[in-house]
Amino acid sequence: GENVEQHPSTLSVQEGDSAVIKCTYSDSASNYFPWYKQELGKRPQLIIDIRSNVGEKKDQRIAVTLNKTAKHFSLHITETQPEDSAVYFCAASIYNFNKFYFGSGTKLNVKP
Amino acid sequence: EAGVTQSPTHLIKTRGQQATLRCSPISGHTSVYWYQQALGLGLQFLLWYDEGEERNRGNFPPRFSGRQFPNYSSELNVNALELEDSALYLCASSLVRGNQPQHFGDGTRLSIL
Repeated sequence: GENVEQHPSTLSVQEGDSAVIKCTYSDSASNYFPWYKQELGKRPQLIIDIRSNVGEKKDQRIAVTLNKTAKHFSLHITETQPEDSAVYFCAASIYNFNKFYFGSGTKLNVKP
Repeated sequence: EAGVTQSPTHLIKTRGQQATLRCSPISGHTSVYWYQQALGLGLQFLLWYDEGEERNRGNFPPRFSGRQFPNYSSELNVNALELEDSALYLCASSLVRGNQPQHFGDGTRLSIL
């Protein structure tokens, strides 16, 4: 089955700096890669997703890149703010199987 | 628009008992997913229901089961509860099958004494 690895497990940055979280996957058939943000005590919320037919997607300060050959994808947050502090999860799934494999999470701390 | 709702918020059981958790998806969503999130750990995929049928399941024993009703709501049943079943159980729903974004509920905190 699919195996998703996520790094780093914790990340501390200064407000205004950029943050990068990386995930690798094992199954080349995976073709959908969402990212979720989970604030303490709250539900995970989708922040951005990418499908395998594109290499990059941006939404304001958030971007995701996908390298299908190397089987890795990354979340980039620019101009970080304290409210970006949360646990971020990456996931991978195969079309029509809808079995999502999640990474172990990255706890991002943005210091004011 | 109401989001995904789960009940109860908290559930306390003892070893060997059975637990039932409930989930109501966003109106119009036909797919429902269940995840287990143990303390400090990531999300483990449990089950996926679509149009009333179980479509896929994760690496969990058969004592984890569930069903989806005609109104697309779902329940998760856990039999013969064990201490390691203590976790946050999250339900998510999506519009249709085929890798659509999932929307999560607030979860049910299950504690096994």
